[in-house]
Amino acid sequence: GQQVMQIPQYQHVQEGEDFTTYCNSSTTLSNIQWYKQRPGGHPVFLIQLVKSGEVKKQKRLTFQFGEAKKNSSLHITATQTTDVGTYFCAVPLKTSYDKVIFGPGTSLSVIP
Amino acid sequence: SQTIHQWPATLVQPVGSPLSLECTVEGTSNPNLYWYRQAAGRGLQLLFYSVGIGQISSEVPQNLSASRPQDRQFILSSKKLLLSDSGFYLCAWSNGRAGPQYFGPGTRLTVL
Repeated sequence: GQQVMQIPQYQHVQEGEDFTTYCNSSTTLSNIQWYKQRPGGHPVFLIQLVKSGEVKKQKRLTFQFGEAKKNSSLHITATQTTDVGTYFCAVPLKTSYDKVIFGPGTSLSVIP
Repeated sequence: SQTIHQWPATLVQPVGSPLSLECTVEGTSNPNLYWYRQAAGRGLQLLFYSVGIGQISSEVPQNLSASRPQDRQFILSSKKLLLSDSGFYLCAWSNGRAGPQYFGPGTRLTVL
């Protein structure tokens, strides 16, 4: 069946260092979404990428959609303690446009 | 703007007791509605989703059920809770078409 993988599972960085998480799909995607969940909170939608090779920025966050539309990355420049949380990617299910599959997430810890 | 409400925020229930969690959405019509469960430190497991009133799709066999009595109301129920039902229950809505999902604040359920 359709699978979504994320690496790494955990990442500990010193405040000010950069951070990158990668999302890989077993199938070609129509879009990919990224969410952030703070500790104790609920997932919050960050962004959706649709076009091959698309790059979008939100302040220190840079999102990229692969040329083959099977992978994506989220890069945070100069991490801050407010970046702590788990970052999930999500992709549409091929067999049902009403559902998405969430990746297992990357948990980011920032050491002040 | 759209708002999603969930209650209660926290719930402690004995094994074998019934459960009813409610979710309501404001500011949108005919949304897709979803119930997810998240175990501590884990990913998101889709339990049920609904594309319209009275239309419920179950993703995981279990002792939980869902209902959608009104367009913007989604209810998660159980007749008899099990220890394994403990977790963080999240309601979400989307416009469908593989679009982003917007989550409510969640209910932390502990079954003792």
